[in-house]
Amino acid sequence: NAGVMQNPRHLVRRRGQEARLRCSPMKGHSHVYWYRQLPEEGLKFMVYLQKENIIDESGMPKERFSAEFPKEGPSILRIQQVVRGDSAAYFCASSLQGQGYSPLHFGNGTRLTVT
Amino acid sequence: ILNVEQSPQSLHVQEGDSTNFTCSFPSSNFYALHWYRWETAKSPEALFVMTLNGDEKKKGRISATLNTKEGYSYLYIKGSQPEDSATYLCAFRIQGAQKLVFGQGTRLTINP
Repeated sequence: NAGVMQNPRHLVRRRGQEARLRCSPMKGHSHVYWYRQLPEEGLKFMVYLQKENIIDESGMPKERFSAEFPKEGPSILRIQQVVRGDSAAYFCASSLQGQGYSPLHFGNGTRLTVT
Repeated sequence: ILNVEQSPQSLHVQEGDSTNFTCSFPSSNFYALHWYRWETAKSPEALFVMTLNGDEKKKGRISATLNTKEGYSYLYIKGSQPEDSATYLCAFRIQGAQKLVFGQGTRLTINP
């Protein structure tokens, strides 16, 4: 019974490059959330998606960041033209139903380092 | 801006002792409160989802209570063991919103 799978575990990018982070939710889960943990900070909400729909992206920076959860395949968090301040751990979580009554199941995170 | 406050930030407890810590959240438009346990080098793991004022949940030696009218939840650990060492996160959702807002966590260390 596979849990939430994130890859890669570690990603190093130079300033200006693109970063693509992947998340496969638990089997049967259609709700996906992305959180970011900056150094010495807590988990900050970025975006909530259901299959093919962005439900809440209020935590996403307006520029350079985008997320998708296509009908087939994993959810992708894409960061264009990365800067040093994007260095963080990015966690994906999934749930059976929308946030609230269903617990979140987290992946192990992708640690992005921008050099 | 929704603020979820957890206290204390860190806590050292002797093995065998019981302990508790607090999660404070806005008392209006409450929808749900979650507790998670996050061990080093692992991912957060759900402990409890609480939705009703007065809720009490228990899992082994860990229990939680909820007071939505005054905006707080307590997490209790009875007879602490070294494997309880972790960061404990609470997360809060208001009605009409779609996101869970996490607190900064309480980092618990159990001294053998």
